[in-house]
Amino acid sequence: KAGVTQTPRYLIKTRGQQVTLSCSPISGHRSVSWYQQTPGQGLQFLFEYFSETQRNKGNFPGRFSGRQFSNSRSEMNVSTLELGDSALYLCASSPGLLTSYNEQFFGPGTRLTVL
Amino acid sequence: QKEVEQNSGPLSVPEGAIASLNCTYSDRVSQSFFWYRQYSGKSPELIMSIYSNGDKEDGRFTAQLNKASQYVSLLIRDSQPSDSATYLCAAPVISSGSARQLTFGSGTQLTVLP
Repeated sequence: KAGVTQTPRYLIKTRGQQVTLSCSPISGHRSVSWYQQTPGQGLQFLFEYFSETQRNKGNFPGRFSGRQFSNSRSEMNVSTLELGDSALYLCASSPGLLTSYNEQFFGPGTRLTVL
Repeated sequence: QKEVEQNSGPLSVPEGAIASLNCTYSDRVSQSFFWYRQYSGKSPELIMSIYSNGDKEDGRFTAQLNKASQYVSLLIRDSQPSDSATYLCAAPVISSGSARQLTFGSGTQLTVLP
């Protein structure tokens, strides 16, 4: 079974631009969560999508948004990029909504650098 | 108190030794825990899940959960240089309504010395 895929793997943008990242979950998985990882803040939850609906959102500004398609693929968008948005963006796939027992599996990540 | 805390580290152990990694948690955490391993420059990889009190073994890895003391640990027996990585403890935390978000500790960097 193929794992979680993310595209692109690397991105370089300048301040003020916007960016769209893509994630394809493991086949049959319906939940996709997004995380930001930085050396200073560690792994932080952005949002979770299930059945094309955002089910939960972390403490990030409205510049960060996402969506999920009927095939469970998900995209996240960051508008008006800031230097502090430079990070590894990780997508995680799960069979269902995050409950106490559903495991999440991570994709390889997209390394975003904002200049 | 953070919901999930990993205070120990960095940790160095000689090859063949037992590495012990620890994590404490708050009352807001749902009672299931996940250990991820992350190699430098890579994404986290799930290595163990534990849902009930006691020990769970998988090969050289043993996860231990103590709900009364609110800690969970990961033991790596016969440590190998290839185990050198950052180990992240994670648990679902109730954030709003019944929604949960997977919350991670800051990680423990393990180095196994040949």
